[in-house]
Amino acid sequence: NAGVMQNPRHLVRRRGQEARLRCSPMKGHSHVYWYRQLPEEGLKFMVYLQKENIIDESGMPKERFSAEFPKEGPSILRIQQVVRGDSAAYFCASSPPEQGAYTGELFFGEGSRLTVL
Amino acid sequence: GDSVTQMEGPVTLSEEAFLTINCTYTATGYPSLFWYVQYPGEGLQLLLKATKADDKGSNKGFEATYRKETTSFHLEKGSVQVSDSAVYFCALENYGQNFVFGPGTRLSVLP
Repeated sequence: NAGVMQNPRHLVRRRGQEARLRCSPMKGHSHVYWYRQLPEEGLKFMVYLQKENIIDESGMPKERFSAEFPKEGPSILRIQQVVRGDSAAYFCASSPPEQGAYTGELFFGEGSRLTVL
Repeated sequence: GDSVTQMEGPVTLSEEAFLTINCTYTATGYPSLFWYVQYPGEGLQLLLKATKADDKGSNKGFEATYRKETTSFHLEKGSVQVSDSAVYFCALENYGQNFVFGPGTRLSVLP
């Protein structure tokens, strides 16, 4: 059973470009979470999604950031018009539906490291 | 809101030394408590967890006891190895709310 798959592992963008990060949850998992980790800092919650629904986006910046988890395909975190401060590691995590919302263990991907030049 | 506080790092120990990483939390109700570990270049992995007061989570020689009276969940290991070098995150999860992670504590174990 494959774990949480994130791609790309490393992404370099110039200021003003768009960054698109993908996350495929573990098989059978229907909850997806995105976290951001700035250098030498802890994890900051960004958004929690279920299929076709954003459940909690309280950690998402109001502008330039968006996330989706379509019925088919991976979850996508999109950052428009990137700035240097967006450089960070972005982690996706998933959990199975029987755990319910916000309960139990999170299974993390290896992260996507965004560098903005 | 809920929060998690961890001892500041980095922590540097010699191999076979005793490890304690302090973690305290603020939360309403009865959260579940977790320790996650992040090895260099990897994502976080669950190390251990405890879901109610006085529970002890253990794994790979690490232990932590859920102490409601002191709102703590300190991580301990009797004899660390070089391979334990990583960043350790304390976290809580309150039903109906998101996971809250501490800032992480970097551990370096020297041979």
